[in-house]
Amino acid sequence: DAGVIQSPRHEVTEMGQEVTLRCKPISGHNSLFWYRQTMMRGLELLIYFNNNVPIDDSGMPEDRFSAKMPNASFSTLKIQPSEPRDSAVYFCASSPRTSGLGNEQFFGPGTRLTVL
Amino acid sequence: AQSVAQPEDQVNVAEGNPLTVKCTYSVSGNPYLFWYVQYPNRGLQFLLKYITGDNLVKGSYGFEAEFNKSQTSFHLKKPSALVSDSALYFCAVRPPRAAGNKLTFGGGTRVLVKP
Repeated sequence: DAGVIQSPRHEVTEMGQEVTLRCKPISGHNSLFWYRQTMMRGLELLIYFNNNVPIDDSGMPEDRFSAKMPNASFSTLKIQPSEPRDSAVYFCASSPRTSGLGNEQFFGPGTRLTVL
Repeated sequence: AQSVAQPEDQVNVAEGNPLTVKCTYSVSGNPYLFWYVQYPNRGLQFLLKYITGDNLVKGSYGFEAEFNKSQTSFHLKKPSALVSDSALYFCAVRPPRAAGNKLTFGGGTRVLVKP
């Protein structure tokens, strides 16, 4: 298996532009998570999905951020408009179906976003 | 609400010496506990987990962790550290009845192993 796939790996954009980050989870996994990592705030959970349905989006910083999961094999995180303070590494992770046990999450390589 | 504390921002150890990375948690019920490692410019990699059973859990790369319910701790250990173990380590907890597999992560501990 190729693991969790994220694209692009690096994104440099100017303030005010729309940014779309993409994630393909591991096939068969039914939970998907979006995280943001910065030096100041560490690793933050933004939103997660179960069976393509958003379960908890309390970590989404503001309305400029939105996430979708149109099917089991694809998710997007969109920032519109982007601001310099959005600069961070964004990780996508997926996890197998819960079966009463603690299944670990598998992380993608991340997208490093720089907003100028 | 659940929480995870990693009291040390950084741990320095000489190669060949034992390595310990501390983690304490707060959660209702019996927790699921995890350790992840992050190498530079990479995503987090799963090391090991405690679900139930033996309090000593063995994981990847020679790491192990001991679940201590009375002290609410889950410290990560390695008997003999390698320079290649230098990385950022995260402890995480999942409450037993949490929807999906949502984890609460600690702030991370940077490990520096010196030759």
